[in-house]
Amino acid sequence: SQTIHQWPATLVQPVGSPLSLECTVEGTSNPNLYWYRQAAGRGLQLLFYSVGIGQISSEVPQNLSASRPQDRQFILSSKKLLLSDSGFYLCAWSDLTNQPQHFGDGTRLSIL
Amino acid sequence: QQQVKQSPQSLIVQKGGISIINCAYENTAFDYFPWYQQFPGKGPALLIAIRPDVSEKKEGRFTISFNKSAKQFSLHIMDSQPGDSATYFCAAKETSGSRLTFGEGTQLTVNP
Repeated sequence: SQTIHQWPATLVQPVGSPLSLECTVEGTSNPNLYWYRQAAGRGLQLLFYSVGIGQISSEVPQNLSASRPQDRQFILSSKKLLLSDSGFYLCAWSDLTNQPQHFGDGTRLSIL
Repeated sequence: QQQVKQSPQSLIVQKGGISIINCAYENTAFDYFPWYQQFPGKGPALLIAIRPDVSEKKEGRFTISFNKSAKQFSLHIMDSQPGDSATYFCAAKETSGSRLTFGEGTQLTVNP
């Protein structure tokens, strides 16, 4: 069966520090991968999605970037975090038949 | 531009009652409508989904009703239980592509 892993579960970072959040999927090949941000437990905002290695589409211009160095690995990064980057970050995957997206358990990011 | 409108924002139901959450969409290219359930601190989990070729789908206590002409769909939770207390999101996907458009979520509280 397929599983998705996100880490860390929680992260506290100072303003201006870099960020790297990692997501990996097991049990499937060539998945579509997604990064979302959720503020205040509501509303899922799609940040990036990827249909293959090195293929990244950005939905919202912002302080973040994404990379997909391997087929089942998706990384969310920032060079300098802003206070407004605080939130709950969720990774998701779907297969090539575009069936439903499945989410990881997220990373709670707090910027101080 | 909000393409999927969800209501109500919050809902309080007594144990054993029926919970009803409604969603409306505008994009006629949507052809897949999933519902997600999210508990605090966790990622959304797929609950039930429907395609527009059927008007109703039932899985246990959860039922989706779909009205294609009105471009509306709803989630009914029969015999609601305190364990159903969570945030529920409706979503929609276009025929082409894998991106989901989410509603803003409904926070359901089932009182014992």
